[in-house]
Amino acid sequence: GENVEQHPSTLSVQEGDSAVIKCTYSDSASNYFPWYKQELGKGPQLIIDIRSNVGEKKDQRIAVTLNKTAKHFSLHITETQPEDSAVYFCAALKQAGTALIFGKGTTLSVSS
Amino acid sequence: SAVISQKPSRDICQRGTSLTIQCQVDSQVTMMFWYRQQPGQSLTLIATANQGSEATYESGFVIDKFPISRPNLTFSTLTVSNMSPEDSSIYLCSVGQGAHEQYFGPGTRLTVT
Repeated sequence: GENVEQHPSTLSVQEGDSAVIKCTYSDSASNYFPWYKQELGKGPQLIIDIRSNVGEKKDQRIAVTLNKTAKHFSLHITETQPEDSAVYFCAALKQAGTALIFGKGTTLSVSS
Repeated sequence: SAVISQKPSRDICQRGTSLTIQCQVDSQVTMMFWYRQQPGQSLTLIATANQGSEATYESGFVIDKFPISRPNLTFSTLTVSNMSPEDSSIYLCSVGQGAHEQYFGPGTRLTVT
């Protein structure tokens, strides 16, 4: 079935460094890839997304890249800050377009 | 993005009982979804709540255990029936005009003893 693999499961960086989280998906028909940030005790928050007709998208300190041939996409956070500490989930839209499949999450810790 | 609220925010329930969780959104939306997030785990879709018709359940989830209502375009309920400790999870609703760009509520933290 459709699957999304996410790596690493945990990531620790120093404030100001960059962080990269990678995901691979199995369904070549997937065409929409969002990223969510979940802080402790809260629901996931959509932070950026990309559609398959675009290779890269930026929003201030965050960017997402997509490689359709290799079926992987990545989240890049530059100039990390302690408030970036959270669990990040990638997802891919199922072929039927009816649901999102989520990765297992990456716990990002930014130390000052 | 829509403002989504869930009630209750948390509850502790005894095994064998049922709990109904409410999800309210401040604008009309086409799609509403219910997810389960077990402690420290990812999000698993339970079902899509369809307005005016039965919910569409994912593999491994059944209507008898998780009945869902969606009486209008701004409100849905999920009931967790005949609970066991394995049902202890965070239950999240999300909304969207499609399955894209889903926005999540704050979640309901359920503990079953």
